[in-house]
Amino acid sequence: EDKVVQSPLSLVVHEGDTVTLNCSYEVTNFRSLLWYKQEKKAPTFLFMLTSSGIEKKSGRLSSILDKKELFSILNITATQTGDSAVYLCAVATSGTYKYIFGTGTRLKVLA
Amino acid sequence: SQTIHQWPATLVQPVGSPLSLECTVEGTSNPNLYWYRQAAGRGLQLLFYSVGIGQISSEVPQNLSASRPQDRQFILSSKKLLLSDSGFYLCAWSVLTRYNEQFFGPGTRLTVL
Repeated sequence: EDKVVQSPLSLVVHEGDTVTLNCSYEVTNFRSLLWYKQEKKAPTFLFMLTSSGIEKKSGRLSSILDKKELFSILNITATQTGDSAVYLCAVATSGTYKYIFGTGTRLKVLA
Repeated sequence: SQTIHQWPATLVQPVGSPLSLECTVEGTSNPNLYWYRQAAGRGLQLLFYSVGIGQISSEVPQNLSASRPQDRQFILSSKKLLLSDSGFYLCAWSVLTRYNEQFFGPGTRLTVL
């Protein structure tokens, strides 16, 4: 059965800290891995990763994929209270049109 | 640019009542469409997806159904709501490109009493 596992489940840090969120997966026919940020509303798209070793970066957020070890990390540097959210990881598979989601990592950034 | 609409934004319904949630996408044609449910503090559960008009794939057998009467319209329905149907319902779309980014609508928060 395809699955996506995120860790840690939750995390509390102080402003200015750097955090690393993990996403591991076991799927047949991997197509791409996606990261989303969800505050108290719908998830917003952050990154899509398809190739190993190529870092995607947007401001203080960056992400990288390792297709050999089947995981991805999302880094957030110099965290701010506005980074507080649930971060979701999803894997898209070839051959179907489905996305398999992890349960998310709840990040709380304290001022 | 593409936009996705969902309505209503919030809904409070009694147990046993019917349900109809609507989702429409603008700015793209022949999208793949999805319905997800997110219970409080939980992950996203895929309910239905559709790759074309009238084509519906069900992921979780339950008292919900979906229909796609038009290319960019996706409807989630129930004849009789259960307490366990409460949750945050999200519609999403993607286009069949090589890598498939997926984007979400604003969601409908359903409370069944």
